[in-house]
Amino acid sequence: GAVVSQHPSWVICKSGTSVKIECRSLDFQATTMFWYRQFPKQSLMLMATSNEGSKATYEQGVEKDKFLINHASLTLSTLTVTSAHPEDSSFYICSARDEARSDEQYFGPGTRLTVT
Amino acid sequence: AQRVTQPEKLLSVFKGAPVELKCNYSYSGSPELFWYVQYSRQRLQLLLRHISRESIKGFTADLNKGETSFHLKKPFAQEEDSAMYYCALSINSGNTPLVFGKGTRLSVIA
Repeated sequence: GAVVSQHPSWVICKSGTSVKIECRSLDFQATTMFWYRQFPKQSLMLMATSNEGSKATYEQGVEKDKFLINHASLTLSTLTVTSAHPEDSSFYICSARDEARSDEQYFGPGTRLTVT
Repeated sequence: AQRVTQPEKLLSVFKGAPVELKCNYSYSGSPELFWYVQYSRQRLQLLLRHISRESIKGFTADLNKGETSFHLKKPFAQEEDSAMYYCALSINSGNTPLVFGKGTRLSVIA
């Protein structure tokens, strides 16, 4: 099946710094990728829809200037958490839609961000 | 707005017992419904989608539009079924994201 990777798998950063998370579709092209956030023992909450070659669509309540999304190619979307705060600590998961396979979404393994 | 409700946070059953994980949705149109599973320390993966009408790992789910439900069932639970199960909804097969329920943790006791 299709594979989505994320890098890094975990990251620790200091308050006020920025961290970039990459999401790659390894064996298919994805014009659309999604970024989710998952708190411990809770469900996935959609943050934004990343569209290749255009601006991301953010969900209500998600600060677009804080969570910068870039989808510069058909296999890569990046999420940059700017000026990170401890409350940004969470598990970030991306998914990519494989339009060649009935639009099935494939999920990355997630990135655990800890802001100290 | 679309919503997916999974009323049970935790469901514990004995090995060999039947399992039913409940899922209800709210959407006025014709959604596409999915069940995703997340085993311990693994990524989220698709288990079932209603349009395919398949049985995967012994699990089945039928879309009941009258009751707006998409319950997941398995006649005989196995220990390896222990995982987190998420019901999800998509309003079309275009570029719309999935709306997830809060998830149900299934624990199968030997």
